[in-house]
Amino acid sequence: KQEVTQIPAALSVPEGENLVLNCSFTDSAIYNLQWFRQDPGKGLTSLLLIQSSQREQTSGRLNASLDKSSGRSTLYIAASQPGDSATYLCAVKDNTDKLIFGTGTRLQVFP
Amino acid sequence: GAGVSQSPSNKVTEKGKDVELRCDPISGHTALYWYRQSLGQGLEFLIYFQGNSAPDKSGLPSDRFSAERTGGSVSTLTIQRTQQEDSAVYLCASSLLAGGAETQYFGPGTRLLVL
Repeated sequence: KQEVTQIPAALSVPEGENLVLNCSFTDSAIYNLQWFRQDPGKGLTSLLLIQSSQREQTSGRLNASLDKSSGRSTLYIAASQPGDSATYLCAVKDNTDKLIFGTGTRLQVFP
Repeated sequence: GAGVSQSPSNKVTEKGKDVELRCDPISGHTALYWYRQSLGQGLEFLIYFQGNSAPDKSGLPSDRFSAERTGGSVSTLTIQRTQQEDSAVYLCASSLLAGGAETQYFGPGTRLLVL
């Protein structure tokens, strides 16, 4: 059974810092891995999707890497801003076509 | 429409009552997914539809939960005889097709509180 773990569970940093959020999964037979952002009381916003054949994806200040063989992904946030404060979720899609989510990292960036 | 919509946004009900949650997917999306986000449980898959059929119902927690989709569009998740442990945020997502490469787009969720 696929299990997805995210470390740390919570993170509080001053504005401007570069951050790394970690995601690990137990079964490397995945189609893709996706990083989402969730703001309080809101749904999920997709940030980056990495296909199983890819190593990384970039969007603006965000960079996500995938090492499928070791079951790891990292989300790198450069020059963090207070507006980045949210919960970040990673999810893997396996051959059953459903997303399996980690429990999230709650990020707070203070001015 | 512009995105996935869900209604109601909030629902408070008494234990034992039935509730219906609605999801309107993005127009043209053939695949629709229901997930549940509970405190302490994280986000878990419930059921998915390809068109009007549900190939995977494995996540439904009990026979009190059912879902249907009509016309390949709107879906309704029904919870019968609600229990307090059903309190959660119910999220719906849709994708253009089912399949490994497709991105799922999520709605804002329905917050259900069972008293």
